[in-house]
Amino acid sequence: QLQLQESGPGLVKPSETLSLTCTVSGGSISSSRNYWGWIRQPPGKGLEWIGSMYYSGSTYYNPSLKSRVTISVDTSKNQFSLKLSSVTAADTAVFYCASLYSGNSLDYWGQGTLVTVSS
Amino acid sequence: QSALTQPASVSGSPGQSITISCTGTSSDVGSYNLVSWYQQHPGKAPKLIIYEGSKRPSGASNRFSGSKSGNTASLTISGLQAEDEADYYCCSYAGNSALVFGGGTKVTVL
Repeated sequence: QLQLQESGPGLVKPSETLSLTCTVSGGSISSSRNYWGWIRQPPGKGLEWIGSMYYSGSTYYNPSLKSRVTISVDTSKNQFSLKLSSVTAADTAVFYCASLYSGNSLDYWGQGTLVTVSS
Repeated sequence: QSALTQPASVSGSPGQSITISCTGTSSDVGSYNLVSWYQQHPGKAPKLIIYEGSKRPSGASNRFSGSKSGNTASLTISGLQAEDEADYYCCSYAGNSALVFGGGTKVTVL
């Protein structure tokens, strides 16, 4: 069974770049079965899809965030990463990484990590 | 890409059935039978309970069922139990590998 774990700084300053890593265990990130994705949830609010990537490196981003988001993969470490640039307080959220079944259903989730944007 | 529309809250008594609607457009819900539903308890990660419209993943209760008509998908919880009290989110494939979530519905067991 797949397990995912997010890691990264819990506090980021405004205008800087938020960087998170998701470590996958229990399976290979290079499996053709899976897409991998990032989702965020501001405190007390709903879920928002940030973007997804296929193991080959093809990426797909939420149009509202596309200019600030980069998702990449490190197959040697079985990890994939999220970078969100030029952050503001509105980017404060719990960030989740997840695997996507057939590119459309989020079947395994990490526990989530809270990132606060504040000076 | 606008968020799907869900009622903010739905409630029911133990043993009853409730239905949560999820309304999108002809570009997402209406075009694909690829709606998924997630249950989220406070402080926990969401859990997949329905995928591809009406399929249940291994481990999901058979009291959850999904359906779709036109641009609206629905999640029905039958035999409501106290443990079903949670937030529920729908999510639809929107083409070009994009996903869009609903705003979430808080289910209260009276």
